[in-house]
Amino acid sequence: DTAVSQTPKYLVTQMGNDKSIKCEQNLGHDTMYWYKQDSKKFLKIMFSYNNKELIINETVPNRFSPKSPDKAHLNLHINSLELGDSAVYFCASWPGQGSGYTFGSGTRLTVV
Amino acid sequence: GDSVTQMEGPVTLSEEAFLTINCTYTATGYPSLFWYVQYPGEGLQLLLKATKADDKGSNKGFEATYRKETTSFHLEKGSVQVSDSAVYFCALSMTGNQFYFGTGTSLTVIP
Repeated sequence: DTAVSQTPKYLVTQMGNDKSIKCEQNLGHDTMYWYKQDSKKFLKIMFSYNNKELIINETVPNRFSPKSPDKAHLNLHINSLELGDSAVYFCASWPGQGSGYTFGSGTRLTVV
Repeated sequence: GDSVTQMEGPVTLSEEAFLTINCTYTATGYPSLFWYVQYPGEGLQLLLKATKADDKGSNKGFEATYRKETTSFHLEKGSVQVSDSAVYFCALSMTGNQFYFGTGTSLTVIP
């Protein structure tokens, strides 16, 4: 059983399209995240939810909208995709202080 | 603000060589410190952690000691293998739920 699972693993789409990435965790953690990793491997936090409530919303274009229907799921919807959105997007969950994140295996988004 | 600085890569070593990847941090309090590893095409995996000064985290032959006096958490391994080729990230977490990651250090081990 995968602890943090993301779908799809690969996503190739044209500029201007709208797409969604889904994330589910079966660890019982209250806090979930979306991170963006660029081609140089730099990780940037995008959003964090705690028990369905948005608690971190970094400087991200408002074309990106997270949704958390329950504490085990955190989805990311992206409108009007641009070339610069091409990256690997990671979902992660966190049980609490002193513990590390558990990451999903990533979604490689390519916008053409 | 809180931050982590890692040594620049890439690092290339021969099998069985000694590995050190430097990590220093800046924090206003006493953070928890972590090393993550990312194998090609995969997500980040927690490698080891230390939650207070002088703690040593260890896993799979890797070690790192939380040094408050030098604000460092250097990753070491005595004898690397080809299978250790990956990108290594240092990270810190203060109270609250946000982690600060370093820029990653790519390691290639050649037979």
